[in-house]
Amino acid sequence: NAGVTQTPKFQVLKTGQSMTLQCAQDMNHEYMSWYRQDPGMGLRLIHYSVGAGITDQGEVPNGYNVSRSTTEDFPLRLLSAAPSQTSVYFCASGGHHGTGELFFGEGSRLTVL
Amino acid sequence: DAKTTQPNSMESNEEEPVHLPCNHSTISGTDYIHWYRQLPSQGPEYVIHGLTSNVNNRMASLAIAEDRKSSTLILHRATLRDAAVYYCILRAPTSGTYKYIFGTGTRLKVLA
Repeated sequence: NAGVTQTPKFQVLKTGQSMTLQCAQDMNHEYMSWYRQDPGMGLRLIHYSVGAGITDQGEVPNGYNVSRSTTEDFPLRLLSAAPSQTSVYFCASGGHHGTGELFFGEGSRLTVL
Repeated sequence: DAKTTQPNSMESNEEEPVHLPCNHSTISGTDYIHWYRQLPSQGPEYVIHGLTSNVNNRMASLAIAEDRKSSTLILHRATLRDAAVYYCILRAPTSGTYKYIFGTGTRLKVLA
């Protein structure tokens, strides 16, 4: 079972560059989300989606864009990377309802120089 | 959005029970209480969840206060592999809000 797949696992960017972190799930989950985790800190919600064509902001959305054109994919775009965006990014998916568990990807470690 | 409060860190001796508390005083009637844990260098993984009654599974037990304003995750015999950060979050199936806020969690240290 693939579950939640994130790519790339590691990425180094220069300030001002743009990139997209990919997230794909094969469990037909309606809910998908992106979190960032800074060293020694908890997870902070960036954006989330409750279905194709529907996205909303989380706790720390500035500097990030998302779209949800299919149920399976939920890419996270950094339009102009900043050193403050150096972090580990986790994608999660889950059932639409509160009873279901969230499944997390293995994370993408991003360094912005 | 309903929030949870957890101690920053706890310690336990190996093979002893561990009780990890979580306060959620603003919980609504339809919020489910979920627990996740994050092992070093990994993504979080589901541990257990409940609504009103206490729950048991192969990993842990969840004790929910009668007024639902707090809950406790119980690891019956801590092992070194249980050293992780444990997160308590609330999930609502019908409230229309899906901001699942993890917070900073409780870092559990297990002593050999």
